[in-house]
Amino acid sequence: EDKVVQSPLSLVVHEGDTVTLNCSYEVTNFRSLLWYKQEKKAPTFLFMLTSSGIEKKSGRLSSILDKKELSSILNITATQTGDSAIYLCAVEAGLWSSGSARQLTFGSGTQLTVLP
Amino acid sequence: ETGVTQSPTHLIKTRGQQVTLRCSSQSGHNTVSWYQQALGQGPQFIFQYYREEENGRGNFPPRFSGLQFPNYSSELNVNALELDDSALYLCASSLDNSAGFTEAFFGQGTRLTVV
Repeated sequence: EDKVVQSPLSLVVHEGDTVTLNCSYEVTNFRSLLWYKQEKKAPTFLFMLTSSGIEKKSGRLSSILDKKELSSILNITATQTGDSAIYLCAVEAGLWSSGSARQLTFGSGTQLTVLP
Repeated sequence: ETGVTQSPTHLIKTRGQQVTLRCSSQSGHNTVSWYQQALGQGPQFIFQYYREEENGRGNFPPRFSGLQFPNYSSELNVNALELDDSALYLCASSLDNSAGFTEAFFGQGTRLTVV
């Protein structure tokens, strides 16, 4: 059974701090890892990492995939109160062919709180 | 903001009733998946539709069923509602482009409460 574990479960920081969120996985036939930010309802897409794209960056957010360690980190620099949210990590696994199902296995998320 | 829209946003049903949730996929996407997110948990995969057929299912009973229409919109139907079905239901659309899947974009979800 595919498994995704995120740590820490929750984190409280002050504005301006840098945070690192962790995601580890145990899956068969890894295909991609996706990061989402969930504030109220809809998870908002952040990054998708694959074997051909193991590092992504967008503004203050960046993410790295370590296929050897079966893990990924999400870094947020110069945090702002607007970064407060649940950050979800999801892994796509399985042999792929066109028309096959894409099942994302999610971790439980990291609740990030940024204090002013 | 994604192009994935869901309706209704909130719903209250009584145990034993049936419910239909709707999702309109992002333009150009041909795959829609449904997820159930209980409070404090990550989303759990229910099933996926591709070209109007279910092509994958998670660990959910048959009373969870769905449809995908030619315009790639989708429905999730749940029969014989149970209290444990109370959750946020999310749909996600992506594109199967014959080389893999693109990013999956989620709708804002439907909050279902079963009383």
